[in-house]
Amino acid sequence: AQTVTQSQPEMSVQEAETVTLSCTYDTSESDYYLFWYKQPPSRQMILVIRQEAYKQQNATENRFSVNFQKAAKSFSLKISDSQLGDAAMYFCAYRSAILGGGADGLTFGKGTHLIIQP
Amino acid sequence: DTGVSQDPRHKITKRGQNVTFRCDPISEHNRLYWYRQTLGQGPEFLTYFQNEAQLEKSRLLSDRFSAERPKGSFSTLEIQRTEQGDSAMYLCASSSDRTSGYNEQFFGPGTRLTVL
Repeated sequence: AQTVTQSQPEMSVQEAETVTLSCTYDTSESDYYLFWYKQPPSRQMILVIRQEAYKQQNATENRFSVNFQKAAKSFSLKISDSQLGDAAMYFCAYRSAILGGGADGLTFGKGTHLIIQP
Repeated sequence: DTGVSQDPRHKITKRGQNVTFRCDPISEHNRLYWYRQTLGQGPEFLTYFQNEAQLEKSRLLSDRFSAERPKGSFSTLEIQRTEQGDSAMYLCASSSDRTSGYNEQFFGPGTRLTVL
């Protein structure tokens, strides 16, 4: 079974600064997807960024980028120019790329609570 | 379309009672997922439907839990004989396998269950 570990329960960053959230995972599969989801207080979870394991290039979405190290099974999220609206719980998630194999559910880490200090 | 909706948003019940939650996915999405999220934890996968077929069930889904998606549209999750340990946020998500391979899951706002 796959596991996802987020070792930082809480992180704090000054507005406009850069912060990196850590995530490691364990799997025996070679093809999979990794995601970062954001869950603002009392609001629904939204996808921030995704990475396909077969792609060596790190994904980037505006101020959000990842550092994907497949051999190390590491998938960190970097948020540049932090904004007050970035304050939320951030969850790292894994999904198998096996099609039709039924392994379609996401496996989440425990989350990191990101605080943005004005 | 306004996204995934869930009803009710909050439910308080007494131990031993049955509860049922509803999820309405994004209209063109053929896949629907249920997750459970307890305080301070990430969501845990419960079950998944492709159209009306329930294709996968987690070992977390005990015999007291049952999920249906009778016409391949909305889904219901029923918990029988609720226990205090069932208190959690129940999240629904939907996706389409007709789009990109990574099959983005869109989440609803959740139903928060409190069992007294």
